[in-house]
Amino acid sequence: DTAVSQTPKYLVTQMGNDKSIKCEQNLGHDTMYWYKQDSKKFLKIMFSYNNKELIINETVPNRFSPKSPDKAHLNLHINSLELGDSAVYFCASSQVISRLWVTSSYNEQFFGPGTRLTVL
Amino acid sequence: GIQVEQSPPDLILQEGANSTLRCNFSDSVNNLQWFHQNPWGQLINLFYIPSGTKQNGRLSATTVATERYSLLYISSSQTTDSGVYFCAVVPRGRQTGANNLFFGTGTRLTVIP
Repeated sequence: DTAVSQTPKYLVTQMGNDKSIKCEQNLGHDTMYWYKQDSKKFLKIMFSYNNKELIINETVPNRFSPKSPDKAHLNLHINSLELGDSAVYFCASSQVISRLWVTSSYNEQFFGPGTRLTVL
Repeated sequence: GIQVEQSPPDLILQEGANSTLRCNFSDSVNNLQWFHQNPWGQLINLFYIPSGTKQNGRLSATTVATERYSLLYISSSQTTDSGVYFCAVVPRGRQTGANNLFFGTGTRLTVIP
């Protein structure tokens, strides 16, 4: 019973193609994320969704379009793939807890197994 | 934004040795996690430790939030401990849902038999 799952695990495609990566979590969390890990292993946030609402879009090209059909799913669609999009993409989830008017995540984030995207 | 620095960047150990990995962060945090990225690329949760000390088998971690650092201790290292260890934080006072982790650059550990 995998907590955060992603498909596919590997994706090899040609420049200019459009592709999607799917993510699902069965932890009952209300917040989901996409992170990108570059060739130097640096991990950086791309998007954050809370209750299906986009919260963070960290200077990601608009060729990347996340979609959250429900709280348990956050998919990533990428148009017109470029060589520089080659990376490992991780999905994650957490449960956000609100205290007064400041909301912070007091719970762990759990990551999926990653999708290695190679653009040729 | 918040800066997260890890040291050392690389570490080579003989099997059985002990080690300490350090994570410094530049601002107050609500969340601090340690991860192990194994050679297959999986990110494995080690500790959720915004403050205090925790132990799990041969691993333990301590976070001193007031001094903005965290330490990960690995005792009696094994070859399966090899991989990259990441520290990641959520800065304090973020808006709803903006609870993404800011990662350090990692410590690459190689344990030699």
